[in-house]
Amino acid sequence: DQQVKQNSPSLSVQEGRISILNCDYTNSMFDYFLWYKKYPAEGPTFLISISSIKDKNEDGRFTVFLNKSAKHLSLHIVPSQPGDSAVYFCAASVSSGSARQLTFGSGTQLTVLP
Amino acid sequence: KAGVTQTPRYLIKTRGQQVTLSCSPISGHRSVSWYQQTPGQGLQFLFEYFSETQRNKGNFPGRFSGRQFSNSRSEMNVSTLELGDSALYLCASSLGGATAEAFFGQGTRLTVV
Repeated sequence: DQQVKQNSPSLSVQEGRISILNCDYTNSMFDYFLWYKKYPAEGPTFLISISSIKDKNEDGRFTVFLNKSAKHLSLHIVPSQPGDSAVYFCAASVSSGSARQLTFGSGTQLTVLP
Repeated sequence: KAGVTQTPRYLIKTRGQQVTLSCSPISGHRSVSWYQQTPGQGLQFLFEYFSETQRNKGNFPGRFSGRQFSNSRSEMNVSTLELGDSALYLCASSLGGATAEAFFGQGTRLTVV
């Protein structure tokens, strides 16, 4: 039972346009969400996070939107650059616990075409 | 400061053998988590250690075990290897706490033949 789902395994976008990556979750206990980017042969690197008390968080070209009622979050990258080509994972956790456990989606391969 | 270091980077083992993977966290980080990544499955949580204690465990068989030392370095052991254990094993360190940012190592690519 996948509690965090990324239904699009891949996405291609033209350079300079917007990339929108989507993520759905089923566990209503999740209240902290993160996006990670992963290049081949490297570990995931943290991009941006959002707490469930917010519905939007921005960091430069990256914006994460959270729709709690729909249990849906999305990552917007504007403008997209070729260096953004990577696998993007969304992850969720329960912030009230002390333990660190992230539940990841299966990832979306983003390709930004020059 | 140095990042998370995982050794070895690549490993080939035979079915039935056992393997030990090592993770050195960022200095000052007391939480170490382990994840398994297989194609199409994303990253699946194995376990988390904090100050030498296992705080949380994922849904993996008992063949997967781990430990953490007093210097926060952690090891993960898989016994009686199966072909399906072939995966990228990732370690992440953090200061601890459910919202602390997790920093990942480059992973150990384990191939079971």
